[in-house]
Amino acid sequence: EPEVTQTPSHQVTQMGQEVILRCVPISNHLYFYWYRQILGQKVEFLVSFYNNEISEKSEIFDDQFSVERPDGSNFTLKIRSTKLEDSAMYFCASSRSGGGAVAYNEQFFGPGTRLTVL
Amino acid sequence: GENVEQHPSTLSVQEGDSAVIKCTYSDSASNYFPWYKQELGKRPQLIIDIRSNVGEKKDQRIAVTLNKTAKHFSLHITETQPEDSAVYFCAASNYGGSQGNLIFGKGTKLSVKP
Repeated sequence: EPEVTQTPSHQVTQMGQEVILRCVPISNHLYFYWYRQILGQKVEFLVSFYNNEISEKSEIFDDQFSVERPDGSNFTLKIRSTKLEDSAMYFCASSRSGGGAVAYNEQFFGPGTRLTVL
Repeated sequence: GENVEQHPSTLSVQEGDSAVIKCTYSDSASNYFPWYKQELGKRPQLIIDIRSNVGEKKDQRIAVTLNKTAKHFSLHITETQPEDSAVYFCAASNYGGSQGNLIFGKGTKLSVKP
């Protein structure tokens, strides 16, 4: 069964450094998402992406964050200048559809990247 | 925006008993309500979902009910087993009005004692 994959599984960085988290969504999926989960807390929506552009973003997704689909398979989240409070598990998710065609709403999550900012 | 409240935050049951987790949502436009199970250190996995045109859905030991008028939905697990122990998250989404981003509740840590 196809799965969403993410690399690296764990990233440790110094405050102020840039990090890029990588995701490979399921191949026939069209909608891509990033979520984060601070340890022991709920999963929070960051951004959704469709047709090579951002569809929606939350208040968390400020100017320090950006997303990109550099090729046909990868989907990346960049944090330009990391802060201590960016430490969290970051999950990528994908779905076949995002709006309208309700039958394919299910979002499949990747295993996550644990980001630790020191 | 949408806000999802989930109760209880922790739930401990004996093996074989039933467990019920409840969620409320604020945005009447939400039309898709999935439930995810997350084991320690692992990804959230969808266990069941319900759409706003359905009042109840069942899959073996798991069922979900939706009351659109009251804006609440519940997860029911019958004949609980130790492997059901995990954190369960409810979520709400508006497919059609948005690209389907999920708004999650705070989670319920379910412990099933053998």
